[in-house]
Amino acid sequence: GAVVSQHPSWVICKSGTSVKIECRSLDFQATTMFWYRQFPKQSLMLMATSNEGSKATYEQGVEKDKFLINHASLTLSTLTVTSAHPEDSSFYICSARRTYSNQPQHFGDGTRLSIL
Amino acid sequence: GENVEQHPSTLSVQEGDSAVIKCTYSDSASNYFPWYKQELGKRPQLIIDIRSNVGEKKDQRIAVTLNKTAKHFSLHITETQPEDSAVYFCAASGLANTGGFKTIFGAGTRLFVKA
Repeated sequence: GAVVSQHPSWVICKSGTSVKIECRSLDFQATTMFWYRQFPKQSLMLMATSNEGSKATYEQGVEKDKFLINHASLTLSTLTVTSAHPEDSSFYICSARRTYSNQPQHFGDGTRLSIL
Repeated sequence: GENVEQHPSTLSVQEGDSAVIKCTYSDSASNYFPWYKQELGKRPQLIIDIRSNVGEKKDQRIAVTLNKTAKHFSLHITETQPEDSAVYFCAASGLANTGGFKTIFGAGTRLFVKA
C-alpha cells in the first residue's frame, strides 16, 4: 500500500506556459501533501505543504502566486507553475502522508520540467 | 529554526564493506526518524525508520540507531553491494508548533559502492 502517483513525468514547454502537475494518493487518504523541488545532485527543497480544504503553507522564499497549489480532495493535490521561465526548470516531487499521523511520507515519481 | 545535519555528503566504499551515515537534529519534539534511498532520476523510497521509544532497529543488512539524549541517529549498511549505490536522506519528524507534523530532511549522502 501507500502508492503515490505523479503526473506528468516529463514536461518540455515554451517560456510563458503554465504547467500543472498532479499528485494522487492511490490507496490511502492524505490530508497533507508536500511539494519539493530538487536540483541536480542536491537535496529535497520543501516548497509548500498542501492541506486538504485549506490554503497551502509556503516555505520562505517560494512565491505563492508563481506556484499555485490546490488540494481539493483527500487524494489529489495539484501544483501549477504559472508563466514558467527557464529558471523554473527543475525536478518537482510530491509526497503524501496518511491522515493526521506521524507516518513516513510516500513520494511520487517526480516531474522533470524543462522550460525552453 | 529546526535543522537536520547529515554527514558525510559523499561516501565511497568497497563492495562488502560497511557504510555509516550520521545525522543530528535540533528539534526536541522530533520522535520519528525515517531514512530514504533515492536512485538517480527516481523517487525517494523509505528503507527503514525508527521511533523515539527504541534505540535500534534492524532489517537484514540495514540498521538504524538513535541516541535521543545526543539527538543523533545513524544508518548502518553492512556487506554493501553495488546496487546500494544511491543518495540516502535522513529525516526527523515531530509535532509542529502550528499543529500537524513537520518533517525535515538532511542534505543527503551520495554513496558509491565500488565492485
